[in-house]
Amino acid sequence: AQSVTQPDIHITVSEGASLELRCNYSYGATPYLFWYVQSPGQGLQLLLKYFSGDTLVQGIKGFEAEFKRSQSSFNLRKPSVHWSDAAEYFCALNTNAGKSTFGDGTTLTVKP
Amino acid sequence: DTAVSQTPKYLVTQMGNDKSIKCEQNLGHDTMYWYKQDSKKFLKIMFSYNNKELIINETVPNRFSPKSPDKAHLNLHINSLELGDSAVYFCASSQPGQETQYFGPGTRLLVL
Repeated sequence: AQSVTQPDIHITVSEGASLELRCNYSYGATPYLFWYVQSPGQGLQLLLKYFSGDTLVQGIKGFEAEFKRSQSSFNLRKPSVHWSDAAEYFCALNTNAGKSTFGDGTTLTVKP
Repeated sequence: DTAVSQTPKYLVTQMGNDKSIKCEQNLGHDTMYWYKQDSKKFLKIMFSYNNKELIINETVPNRFSPKSPDKAHLNLHINSLELGDSAVYFCASSQPGQETQYFGPGTRLLVL
């Protein structure tokens, strides 16, 4: 069975600082990996995804993520955080059978 | 135009009642999903339908019954509501082979 772990429940960074949100997965084959963002009271919005090919993927809002097969990780990064980035971030894995598994989420707080 | 829409946005009801939540997508996708997000923001898949056929049915009480009248609609009917059903329910859709899921805005259900 597949699983997704986001080790950090809550992260606080200062505006303008860099950000890295961790995501580890467990799956027997190459997974489809996603990062979603959920603003308060809103639905989930896709930030970026990895299917195959280049292991460094670019997403919207200046986010990027790197797939590292050897570490079973798909960490999300942003070089300079804006106050509007404060939200809940979810890492997700899809199998080729269409089953989705989400991590428990990381809450990002941005200090002025 | 809204890609994935849900109605109602908010639902407050008494224990023991029966209620339905509706979902519609205008993206032409074949696959639709229902997720439950609890108070700790954990997101769990409940059901997945592909072209009106049930393909994923996680461990969900029988009180929850999804219905897909056509591939653009996936409704969720809940019988004999319990306090623990209070959550935000998200509908999503995707196209097989593309895997990216598009989420609705959520339905906030409160059972009193």
